[in-house]
Amino acid sequence: GENVEQHPSTLSVQEGDSAVIKCTYSDSASNYFPWYKQELGKRPQLIIDIRSNVGEKKDQRIAVTLNKTAKHFSLHITETQPEDSAVYFCAASKMGGGNKLTFGTGTQLKVEL
Amino acid sequence: DTAVSQTPKYLVTQMGNDKSIKCEQNLGHDTMYWYKQDSKKFLKIMFSYNNKELIINETVPNRFSPKSPDKAHLNLHINSLELGDSAVYFCASSQGLAQSTDTQYFGPGTRLTVL
Repeated sequence: GENVEQHPSTLSVQEGDSAVIKCTYSDSASNYFPWYKQELGKRPQLIIDIRSNVGEKKDQRIAVTLNKTAKHFSLHITETQPEDSAVYFCAASKMGGGNKLTFGTGTQLKVEL
Repeated sequence: DTAVSQTPKYLVTQMGNDKSIKCEQNLGHDTMYWYKQDSKKFLKIMFSYNNKELIINETVPNRFSPKSPDKAHLNLHINSLELGDSAVYFCASSQGLAQSTDTQYFGPGTRLTVL
């Protein structure tokens, strides 16, 4: 089955700096890669996703890049703010797979003032 | 106007008891899911249902039994609760066929504590 690895497990940045979280996946058939943000005690919420027919997608301060050949994708947050502090999860799924999301192990991002 | 809702939010119970968690979505979605998030925050799918039909059953002990009375509801019943069942359980839903890759929307979670 699919295996998703995520790094780093914790990330501390200064406000205004950029943050990058990286994930690799094992199943070359995976074609959908969402990123979820989970604040303490809250539900995971989708912040951005990318499908395998594009290499990059951007939404304001958040961007995701995908390298299908290397089977890795990354989340980039620019101009970080304290409210960006949360746990971020990457995930992968594929067509015909029951829409089963396989999650990475999460990255605790802390944005310090 | 909550999209995906779960009850209860917290559940504290003794080992060996039987308990249920309820989930409802008002998004008109066809597919619903149960995920377990353990103490290390790891999120893992347990079940998915599409229009009341079981699609995914991820090697979950048979003490866990999902039930979908209609496509807007997916409940989780747990028999003979064990300490290791303590976790946060999230319900989620997505729009289309179970074989597509539609966005999944999560409920607020139910924190289950087994004493």
